[in-house]
Amino acid sequence: QKEVEQDPGPLSVPEGAIVSLNCTYSNSAFQYFMWYRQYSRKGPELLMYTYSSGNKEDGRFTAQVDKSSKYISLFIRDSQPSDSATYLCAMTTIGPNAGGTSYGKLTFGQGTILTVHP
Amino acid sequence: DGGITQSPKYLFRKEGQNVTLSCEQNLNHDAMYWYRQDPGQGLRLIYYSQIVNDFQKGDIAEGYSVSREKKESFPLTVTSAQKNPTAFYLCASRVRADEETQYFGPGTRLTVL
Repeated sequence: QKEVEQDPGPLSVPEGAIVSLNCTYSNSAFQYFMWYRQYSRKGPELLMYTYSSGNKEDGRFTAQVDKSSKYISLFIRDSQPSDSATYLCAMTTIGPNAGGTSYGKLTFGQGTILTVHP
Repeated sequence: DGGITQSPKYLFRKEGQNVTLSCEQNLNHDAMYWYRQDPGQGLRLIYYSQIVNDFQKGDIAEGYSVSREKKESFPLTVTSAQKNPTAFYLCASRVRADEETQYFGPGTRLTVL
């Protein structure tokens, strides 16, 4: 069983829809959670990060973490064709509040391919 | 402009040849990483380096080698020992050891003919 599981999609939605992207994980030591967006043949770019359970909002994007269920989500409101990309969740065992240093090993989900059509 | 650059963007190699992928950053980041991305498998860590002249193996280091002689440079060599080298290779860097967010370069697509 992989440490992080992510629905691979592909996911196709009409413009303006609300999109929900999800990852589950098995390692309860994961404390720091990130979402990256990757356009075709480009490097991933950081969208959001969080280290606490609950919601974090940034414009049309909301990251949700439920540590008790080992489940994280990214919601995109009013989706646009420019949101069409692969979305990767990533997580690590040591966050900035845990003290010490980390070599920064991120464990990634497989990525979800999203297409928003006009 | 600050950022991470990788070159070349596309690389073709014959079987049995070694090839070196370049990664340079001018962000003054301490730590640097190499990942490999294959369809449907997410990103897997090859090597990482927290400081100059020091590096460690990641999850899939076999068939790869790295060096870290300068803070801004972390080249990756794909050797002939790597059995399935065709992939998209991504370099990343991190501000400092207690900062978890990594920033990625644009990637190099390696194809073995």
